Amino acid sequence: AQTVTQSQPEMSVQEAETVTLSCTYDTSESDYYLFWYKQPPSRQMILVIRQEAYKQQNATENRFSVNFQKAAKSFSLKISDSQLGDAAMYFCAYDRLAQKLVFGQGTRLTINP
Amino acid sequence: SQTIHQWPATLVQPVGSPLSLECTVEGTSNPNLYWYRQAAGRGLQLLFYSVGIGQISSEVPQNLSASRPQDRQFILSSKKLLLSDSGFYLCAWTGAYGYTFGSGTRLTVV
Repeated sequence: AQTVTQSQPEMSVQEAETVTLSCTYDTSESDYYLFWYKQPPSRQMILVIRQEAYKQQNATENRFSVNFQKAAKSFSLKISDSQLGDAAMYFCAYDRLAQKLVFGQGTRLTINP
Repeated sequence: SQTIHQWPATLVQPVGSPLSLECTVEGTSNPNLYWYRQAAGRGLQLLFYSVGIGQISSEVPQNLSASRPQDRQFILSSKKLLLSDSGFYLCAWTGAYGYTFGSGTRLTVV
C-alpha cells in the first residue's frame, strides 16, 4: 500500500523568510499525482500545488514551489516570502490516477511576525 | 462551476444514537466521491469512496456505512454511534485538477 510520510510535525519561520516542508512517499507505480494541501484553522482543505509524476519540471504557484525527486520519492514544498496567512497545517498527499488520496500526518507551520 | 456542499457543520450526538451526514456536488456528473475522517491534530483517513451510484468501497472496518442514492449525493451513516466516532468528517470529489473538499462536519459523540 502507498504511504506518505511527513517527518516534521511542526515548523516555524520568520515572516518574509523561506521555509521548506518535507515529504516522502512509497509506491511501486510510475504514474501518479502528488499534492500539497493547506488546512487553516477553519479546517477547510485548500489545494496549494499539484505535481504529475511524468513531468520532470517542478510545479510552481506564485510563492509556492516543489522539489520533486522521483527516484528518491521525495516531494518537498518551498514557501517563499512567508506571510502570516500561510500559517496552517500542511498535508502532503499521493493519488494513483484519481483512485483515492493518501495523506501524510501533516506539518503545522507557524509564521513569526 | 463545480461546488460541493456538506452539512451539518457541527453535530453533537449521544452514544448509541444514529448518524446521517450528507454531501452533494453541483456542476458535474458521475464524480468520484469520498468520505474522510480527521482525528484532532492528525491526518485524514479515507473511510469510503464511490465511483458511481450504488457503488461503495470501504477502506476501514468500522461502525459507519456509506450510500450513494443519486449521482451527486453521498451519505455517511451509523446506526449506533460510539465515542470513537468523534472527529472531523470531510466529503470530497475528484475533478480535472485534483480533489475538492467540502467544508466538513465536526462530530462530537457524548
